[in-house]
Amino acid sequence: GAVVSQHPSWVICKSGTSVKIECRSLDFQATTMFWYRQFPKQSLMLMATSNEGSKATYEQGVEKDKFLINHASLTLSTLTVTSAHPEDSSFYICSANPTGLQETQYFGPGTRLLVL
Amino acid sequence: DQQVKQNSPSLSVQEGRISILNCDYTNSMFDYFLWYKKYPAEGPTFLISISSIKDKNEDGRFTVFLNKSAKHLSLHIVPSQPGDSAVYFCPVQSSGNTGKLIFGQGTTLQVKP
Repeated sequence: GAVVSQHPSWVICKSGTSVKIECRSLDFQATTMFWYRQFPKQSLMLMATSNEGSKATYEQGVEKDKFLINHASLTLSTLTVTSAHPEDSSFYICSANPTGLQETQYFGPGTRLLVL
Repeated sequence: DQQVKQNSPSLSVQEGRISILNCDYTNSMFDYFLWYKKYPAEGPTFLISISSIKDKNEDGRFTVFLNKSAKHLSLHIVPSQPGDSAVYFCPVQSSGNTGKLIFGQGTTLQVKP
């Protein structure tokens, strides 16, 4: 089946630093990718829709200057948490739609971020 | 305001029996429904889906039923296996929404040997 990878799988950083998380579709092209975050024992919350070659679309309440998204190619989207603070600690998951298959969405394994 | 509700936070079933997971949604414009299972610290894994033009879809041990008038869908797993123990989500999708999924709170299934 289709594979989506995320790197790193977990990261610990100091407050005030920026952290970049990569999401790659390994065996298919994805015009659209999505970024979610999940708090412990809660649902996945969609943060933004990442579109190749254009600006990301952010959900209400998500700061676009805080969570920078770049979708530079059909197989790679990056999420940068800028000036991270402890409240940004969470589980970040990306997903990808194979181009032309809108109903199909494959998820990455997630990235655990801990901000000290 | 939750658009997708999974009212049972947890479910415990004996191995070999049927597991029935339920999901309710509020918007009749949703037209594609999916089930994913998720293990801790991992991404969700796709199980099965159904479009609004159908009322049943079956794939091996998994069957999804859709009742559009009640805005309700369910996932049946039979026979249940200990490896099915996970959190189950039923995200929904609207047509023309570029694949955006709306998730509920999830139901934790425990299958006891």
